Amino acid sequence: AQKITQTQPGMFVQEKEAVTLDCTYDTSDQSYGLFWYKQPSSGEMIFLIYQGSYDEQNATEGRYSLNFQKARKSANLVISASQLGDSAMYFCAMREWGGADGLTFGKGTHLIIQP
Amino acid sequence: DADVTQTPRNRITKTGKRIMLECSQTKGHDRMYWYRQDPGLGLRLIYYSFDVKDINKGEISDGYSVSRQAQAKFSLSLESAIPNQTALYFCATSTPALGHGYTFGSGTRLTVV
Repeated sequence: AQKITQTQPGMFVQEKEAVTLDCTYDTSDQSYGLFWYKQPSSGEMIFLIYQGSYDEQNATEGRYSLNFQKARKSANLVISASQLGDSAMYFCAMREWGGADGLTFGKGTHLIIQP
Repeated sequence: DADVTQTPRNRITKTGKRIMLECSQTKGHDRMYWYRQDPGLGLRLIYYSFDVKDINKGEISDGYSVSRQAQAKFSLSLESAIPNQTALYFCATSTPALGHGYTFGSGTRLTVV
């Protein structure tokens, strides 16, 4: 079974609208971290936001917020007031602190912001 | 200078050739990783290292080997490259601390013909 599932291969959104990118995860660990990365067409991996499994509040970083629903094993990324520069691939990833090191990534969502 | 530097940025090589991808970091992190990205598959872990003497296989280590020459240097080798190793390769570093401690290099785009 996939550990990270991103069900939206691609999304088209109008500029200035809010965007929600879905991510569900599967783990039996109690201690884990959830990450979102942005990959523009240039290829680099840009860290956006982190949520720890014990964090009681949803993480926020500027226009990015993470809607963390632990019981549903869901960690959706919300981008408020989308901009043309938000067009990119977005990856959800997990680090299980009780398991092997490294991040497990989802397959990504290709977000296109339209003017 | 970038915190995590990968060389080369792009490489085309022939089937059967040995090739080495190099990664160096100035973050002072003890943990280093090599990932591979294929279209539609996200990133997958090839190898990771906790320090010079501690090397571990990841999800897809077959066909690859690594060397941790120093705390700051971690190289990935393809002993005999094959076309399905054509991919974008990323090096990353981290610390044991929780949180967003992962730093990625800019990637090496490898094409095996």
